[in-house]
Amino acid sequence: EPEVTQTPSHQVTQMGQEVILRCVPISNHLYFYWYRQILGQKVEFLVSFYNNEISEKSEIFDDQFSVERPDGSNFTLKIRSTKLEDSAMYFCASSESLGGGSQETQYFGPGTRLLVL
Amino acid sequence: AQSVAQPEDQVNVAEGNPLTVKCTYSVSGNPYLFWYVQYPNRGLQFLLKYITGDNLVKGSYGFEAEFNKSQTSFHLKKPSALVSDSALYFCAVRDASGGSYIPTFGRGTSLIVHP
Repeated sequence: EPEVTQTPSHQVTQMGQEVILRCVPISNHLYFYWYRQILGQKVEFLVSFYNNEISEKSEIFDDQFSVERPDGSNFTLKIRSTKLEDSAMYFCASSESLGGGSQETQYFGPGTRLLVL
Repeated sequence: AQSVAQPEDQVNVAEGNPLTVKCTYSVSGNPYLFWYVQYPNRGLQFLLKYITGDNLVKGSYGFEAEFNKSQTSFHLKKPSALVSDSALYFCAVRDASGGSYIPTFGRGTSLIVHP
């Protein structure tokens, strides 16, 4: 069964450094998402992406964040200058389409645990 | 606006007994409702969803959920719990009439099944 994959599984970085989290969505999916989950807290939406553009973003997704689909398979989240509070599990997800029906279901990757020191 | 509440942080049940994980929601229009499960150090795994139609939805691993419009609830159920069902369960809702296609997730309920 196709699945969303993410690399790396763990990332430790120093405050102020840039990190890039990578995701390979399910191949026939067109919509891509990033979420984060701070330890012990709820899953929070960051951004959605379709047709090489950001579709929606939350207030968390400020100027230090950016997303890119550099090729036909990868979907990346870049954090330009990491802060301590960016420490979290970051999940990538993808869906076939939007607008109801089974195609809207989002499928999640295993996550990247980011620790900012 | 859309919101979802999972009133229990933790649910404890003995193996073989029925389990219920509660979820209530609030939307302006019609809800799309989802349940996900998260095992330790893993991503969220889709269990089931309600979009329209039959109020009783059957999903993976023997789980089912009942959509109750009058009570604005979508409780997750399983007739006989397994120790391996122990995990974190998330309910999510999207307002089908809203402008956003992004679901809102609940805080999660930790299910512990005792042998």
